Amino acid sequence: NAGVTQTPKFRVLKTGQSMTLLCAQDMNHEYMYWYRQDPGMGLRLIHYSVGEGTTAKGEVPDGYNVSRLKKQNFLLGLESAAPSQTSVYFCASSPGTGLDDEQYFGPGTRLTVT
Amino acid sequence: AQSVAQPEDQVNVAEGNPLTVKCTYSVSGNPYLFWYVQYPNRGLQFLLKYITGDNLVKGSYGFEAEFNKSQTSFHLKKPSALVSDSALYFCAVRDPGYGQNFVFGPGTRLSVLP
Repeated sequence: NAGVTQTPKFRVLKTGQSMTLLCAQDMNHEYMYWYRQDPGMGLRLIHYSVGEGTTAKGEVPDGYNVSRLKKQNFLLGLESAAPSQTSVYFCASSPGTGLDDEQYFGPGTRLTVT
Repeated sequence: AQSVAQPEDQVNVAEGNPLTVKCTYSVSGNPYLFWYVQYPNRGLQFLLKYITGDNLVKGSYGFEAEFNKSQTSFHLKKPSALVSDSALYFCAVRDPGYGQNFVFGPGTRLSVLP
């Protein structure tokens, strides 16, 4: 049982390049989330999904797109990377049984945009 | 709007001494409150949560937290700190009236000195 996994672990992009971050969970969770973590700012929600085929915007969605074609996978895309998107990205999942669910986090992806 | 404050960027405590990591929150309704811990180069791990009921909540690794509605606080405590408790601690709040969004505090770095 791997829990939540993220690919890749590290990436360096040049401004304007695109990339996709993959999140996978093997816990049959309904809900999945993408966060970014910046120093002194905690985690901020980018997008989330409450089930296969659904997505919704979080607090900081601009410049990102997401897709949830399969229940176990949640993809985060950057179409045209900017230096302001340099951050550590975390994926999380939760069972979806209620608002008191805790979240399970992946190990993170460190992205640098030059 | 929901918000979370962690007034201390850094907390230092000697091994064996009690520790407290502070958290205050602002929500419009009754909050769901969570504590997570992040070890270096790892994702966040759930420690404990308050949903309703007893104001003192016990969690993983000997941690506990006290919910105080009048002071809108949810401080994390441990009677006897271990060097291995050194990590980054995040308080998070979810207002059921706002759906899926968690709001995380900026984090407090705990250093337990041998």
